[in-house]
Amino acid sequence: GIQVEQSPPDLILQEGANSTLRCNFSDSVNNLQWFHQNPWGQLINLFYIPSGTKQNGRLSATTVATERYSLLYISSSQTTDSGVYFCAAHREETSGSRLTFGEGTQLTVNP
Amino acid sequence: SAVISQKPSRDICQRGTSLTIQCQVDSQVTMMFWYRQQPGQSLTLIATANQGSEATYESGFVIDKFPISRPNLTFSTLTVSNMSPEDSSIYLCSVAGGLNYGYTFGSGTRLTVV
Repeated sequence: GIQVEQSPPDLILQEGANSTLRCNFSDSVNNLQWFHQNPWGQLINLFYIPSGTKQNGRLSATTVATERYSLLYISSSQTTDSGVYFCAAHREETSGSRLTFGEGTQLTVNP
Repeated sequence: SAVISQKPSRDICQRGTSLTIQCQVDSQVTMMFWYRQQPGQSLTLIATANQGSEATYESGFVIDKFPISRPNLTFSTLTVSNMSPEDSSIYLCSVAGGLNYGYTFGSGTRLTVV
């Protein structure tokens, strides 16, 4: 199956700093999603971005499907941005629809 | 995109017992997915549940341990059977939200087995 790799695994920032999280995937995908998991375990959908660039407030994401990677940008980070960020690759396979997650980036934003 | 109500949100259970987790979706969906997230790890797909047929399980997961029901197009349950401390995890259900929405997840069930 497809492999999804995220970097860095851990990231510590001071409030106000900017950061870039990376997601590499080993094969072509139908779609790519970014999620934020908060301390209560809830997965919040940030971006659904099979290709191109999207922005939502301080967050933006870019997927370059031909080069099999996606980037999540966080600007002017806040303590509430802390948590785990996952990217997940969606592929339609003969065995069915499958969403494969990376291992996540644990982000800590200190005041 | 779809809205999923998942319950219970958390539970502490004795080893050897079973827990049934429910997911209710506010719209009809063909497929529902169940995931497990062990402490400090990523999400792993347990099975895909289609209405009217048996669930399809991923490698390493079996029906006797994780029986799934899918009685209609808006509801599914996952049972964690004969629990051991190794089953302590967050369990999440998910649906595909349509062409422009991707996958949506329930709020998760945090299970602790003692």
